[in-house]
Amino acid sequence: KAGVTQTPRYLIKTRGQQVTLSCSPISGHRSVSWYQQTPGQGLQFLFEYFSETQRNKGNFPGRFSGRQFSNSRSEMNVSTLELGDSALYLCASSLDSGSSYEQYFGPGTRLTVT
Amino acid sequence: GQSLEQPSEVTAVEGAIVQINCTYQTSGFYGLSWYQQHDGGAPTFLSYNALDGLEETGRFSSFLSRSDSYGYLLLQELQMKDSASYFCAVMDSSYKLIFGSGTRLLVRP
Repeated sequence: KAGVTQTPRYLIKTRGQQVTLSCSPISGHRSVSWYQQTPGQGLQFLFEYFSETQRNKGNFPGRFSGRQFSNSRSEMNVSTLELGDSALYLCASSLDSGSSYEQYFGPGTRLTVT
Repeated sequence: GQSLEQPSEVTAVEGAIVQINCTYQTSGFYGLSWYQQHDGGAPTFLSYNALDGLEETGRFSSFLSRSDSYGYLLLQELQMKDSASYFCAVMDSSYKLIFGSGTRLLVRP
């Protein structure tokens, strides 16, 4: 079974621009979560999607948004980029919401904002 | 608020045993997970405890005490490849996974 894939792997953007990141979960997995990881900060929860519905949202500003498609693929968007948005963005999938304790992570998208 | 506390760094010798502790305070609790992340890699799932007690998976064991809001990951027969960051994570009442800030384990020869 193919793992979680994320595109692009690396991205350099300028302050004020917007960016869209993509995630394809493991086949059969219906729940997709997004995390932001910065050095020393662990993984900060952004949001979770299940069956095309956002079920959970973390404490991030409205500039961060996402969606999930009918094939469970997910995208997240960050508008009006700030320098502090530079981070590794990780996507993770699980079978369903009740099994989100066991998540499978993609390799991440490293976003650099200059 | 929700918080998970774990040591930032632990150093141990190859072949030894190391314990990484995690205390948590969350709104609702379904269970405690542990993840491993090597530098430059993605986190990988190690174990999950929903009930009190010890769960063993090979060289790794995980323990949970719900009454103490405490758990730990025990790594035995340490190998150099175990050098990585280890994260505890709590699944709260909304099935959201909240991660600690991670413990960096350095295994020395």
